[in-house]
Order: sequence, then C-alpha cells, then structure tokens
Amino acid sequence: ETGVTQTPRHLVMGMTNKKSLKCEQHLGHNAMYWYKQSAKKPLELMFVYSLEERVENNSVPSRFSPECPNSSHLFLHLHTLQPEDSALYLCASSPGPGAFSNQPQHFGDGTRLSIL
Amino acid sequence: DAKTTQPPSMDCAEGRAANLPCNHSTISGNEYVYWYRQIHSQGPQYIIHGLKNNETNEMASLIITEDRKSSTLILPHATLRDTAVYYCIGSSGGSYIPTFGRGTSLIVHP
Repeated sequence: ETGVTQTPRHLVMGMTNKKSLKCEQHLGHNAMYWYKQSAKKPLELMFVYSLEERVENNSVPSRFSPECPNSSHLFLHLHTLQPEDSALYLCASSPGPGAFSNQPQHFGDGTRLSIL
Repeated sequence: DAKTTQPPSMDCAEGRAANLPCNHSTISGNEYVYWYRQIHSQGPQYIIHGLKNNETNEMASLIITEDRKSSTLILPHATLRDTAVYYCIGSSGGSYIPTFGRGTSLIVHP
C-alpha cells in the first residue's frame, strides 16, 4: 500500500460522541498535517507535525486533539463536536524533516465528517 | 507571504489546451509557486512547482513571467478527467505556511 491513507472515509457522530480519525503514510515522510475543508471554503490548516513534534497549531478549538505517535501515523481525536465542525478532514505529508520546506505535500482523500 | 489571485471558474473543450492563470504580485524572491488540483471527493493532488524557470512534467507545464508576478498552468490536451479545482499557492519553506485560496474550478466539456 502506498501514499496517504485516511480512515474512516465517512463518519457520522453525535455531539456527545468521542471518535478518532486516522491517517497513515507509506512514503517515508517526516512531516504530517491536518486540514479542514468546509463546504465552499478554502482548506484551513489545523495542525502540523515535524518529526513527531507539533510545530504549528492554528488556534484550533480544544475539542480537536491531534496525536502523532510516529512519523507514519497521525490521529485526530474528536469530542463534543459542534454542527459547524461538519467538514472534510484531510491529512497530508511531506518529506521534511522540516514542515513544508519547499516540498510538495501528498494528501489523503479525507474523512467526510457529519455531526448530528 | 504571497497572496495569489485566480479566476473562480474556467471551461475548456476536451482535447484543447487549458491555460489557467494566477497572479502573485507580492511574491518574494525565495517563494516557489505551487499548483495543486482537487477532483471532487478526493484530496488535493500536487501538479507542479517552480521558482523562476518554466517547468514541465508529465502532467502539465508551468510558465512563470520574468518579473514572477504571475504564472500560467498549461494542461496541453485537457481531458474530462481534468475537471477539478486548481489551486495556485506560494511557498518559501521554513516557517511559512502556504495558504490555499478558492482556486479555479475548471470544467472540461466534450
């Protein structure tokens, strides 16, 4: 398996639920990213990890909690979300080691999240 | 960080060249111009990037003006599968965070 894989592809959850989104990359990259894409809005960067350390947090609400246990895996833990959090959540990776570093990002196909 | 400006939509006939413009008049000397595209229900896909010189790969060509204030992405023979939103962004690495705008929605018609 190659590239960036995100699971699940679709997720429906209530506002009181706790769930996690998973991202896995098989490219040997050292930097990983979470983006949010709401309907008809540009991509918004949420979190950036470089060599498993968080280097950027774009003022994301605490109900979103990222975790990067190793350079191949990235999680986004969700709890007590709001209806406006319904969106496509995209994971990306780049070679690194620094974040961005003038290198292309490789994206997964995202998790479509719906909050009831 | 360069702000980029793209037309919101364009269309192109199948088999013809699609030329997608991007203005980046505030681009700095060490900022690269990157192009990505996003097909419906998929994640963005990297296409090409360049600094000063024109670039070509198996997907597209990138023409950057001499003053680097604008660029054009060229899909030489557009197909229906090229229908997507195309994003032009500037990136200089380091701590700079590239920002995706709204892009250009390209529709390739038969």
